[in-house]
Amino acid sequence: DGGITQSPKYLFRKEGQNVTLSCEQNLNHDAMYWYRQDPGQGLRLIYYSQIVNDFQKGDIAEGYSVSREKKESFPLTVTSAQKNPTAFYLCASSPRTGGTGEGGYTFGSGTRLTVV
Amino acid sequence: AQKITQTQPGMFVQEKEAVTLDCTYDTSDQSYGLFWYKQPSSGEMIFLIYQGSYDEQNATEGRYSLNFQKARKSANLVISASQLGDSAMYFCAMREFSSNDYKLSFGAGTTVTVRA
Repeated sequence: DGGITQSPKYLFRKEGQNVTLSCEQNLNHDAMYWYRQDPGQGLRLIYYSQIVNDFQKGDIAEGYSVSREKKESFPLTVTSAQKNPTAFYLCASSPRTGGTGEGGYTFGSGTRLTVV
Repeated sequence: AQKITQTQPGMFVQEKEAVTLDCTYDTSDQSYGLFWYKQPSSGEMIFLIYQGSYDEQNATEGRYSLNFQKARKSANLVISASQLGDSAMYFCAMREFSSNDYKLSFGAGTTVTVRA
């Protein structure tokens, strides 16, 4: 079955460490996105990519980095510069047209990151 | 400026009753799409329903219907015959088709609790 796989499901980070969250999709979608969700809050866009080897900052990109070397993969690195990284991170993808309701997203199951 | 506004942080509904979740949006685009997603406590985001700005009929998907009032820029979700499994957070989202970046803007969400 096609879908998006995020790993790991839970991740613990020590202060000052960089960690990388994985996101892989086999839907042949062009666009991929990373969102951050804090408890009881909505989704805030971190980074997005429309094509391979290209990506753009979202609303809260500071302290994060991404790469898009393959169409299927869009890993997110939470760097030590991110002062409050504890949150739930969701990856999503979408086709340029069509798909779930004219370009709606397919989401991964999320990674819950905790700083210890 | 906030593009999607959900004014109800939380709602309680009795099992088997209907509930309406409010969503208003702000856009100058003529062509846009509106989405509703459900997020249970597990964290996954589940697509529920889509309404295009040029669709003349209100969208329906099973027990979900979208009350689309274009002039008022509102896209309220109606869940009929509520079930215990409907307890979740619900997000309204919009994509503006004049933009080439395929981004969705999300509201802050409404938490629905269904009581037996």
